[in-house]
Amino acid sequence: DAGVTQSPTHLIKTRGQHVTLRCSPISGHKSVSWYQQVLGQGPQFIFQYYEKEERGRGNFPDRFSARQFPNYSSELNVNALLLGDSALYLCASSLTYTEAFFGQGTRLTVV
Amino acid sequence: KNEVEQSPQNLTAQEGEFITINCSYSVGISALHWLQQHPGGGIVSLFMLSSGKKKHGRLIATINIQEKHSSLHITASHPRDSAVYICAVVSGTYKYIFGTGTRLKVLA
Repeated sequence: DAGVTQSPTHLIKTRGQHVTLRCSPISGHKSVSWYQQVLGQGPQFIFQYYEKEERGRGNFPDRFSARQFPNYSSELNVNALLLGDSALYLCASSLTYTEAFFGQGTRLTVV
Repeated sequence: KNEVEQSPQNLTAQEGEFITINCSYSVGISALHWLQQHPGGGIVSLFMLSSGKKKHGRLIATINIQEKHSSLHITASHPRDSAVYICAVVSGTYKYIFGTGTRLKVLA
């Protein structure tokens, strides 16, 4: 049974560009959350989606957006990339509200 | 002040030593997780706690809800235990708040 899968695994973008990161949750999980982990720090909450609706948003600018599709997969979009957006982006899927399963992450480098 | 604080930030131990990592939090929680993150980035859940104590192999996790404190213990540490250990609390529905992590290095 596949775990949480994220794509791509690594990505290099130039300042000002746009990026789309993808996440496929564990089969049967209806909740997907996104986290940003800057080097040397703990992950920070960006978004949570449940049944295709946004249920939570962290303290991130409007350049960050996300959506969840009918098959519960999700995309995280970041516009007008800044150097400071360089980070590991983690996706987590949940069946219950207390336990999440994490993907391997997408490492984004903005140059 | 962060809502979840971990100590120490960095820890180097000799193989076989007993290790303790501490976590304090300041928000109401429904559960607390101890997570392990290896250099590749992937996160693995070690324990989920809402009360008391759990043990898995050489790992023991405890939580004191009244004191808003949790500890992760590693007995007979081994170089393969080297990783970043992260405390995360579940506050609200599905939302995780993470500590900054403890970087553990176990020397042979």
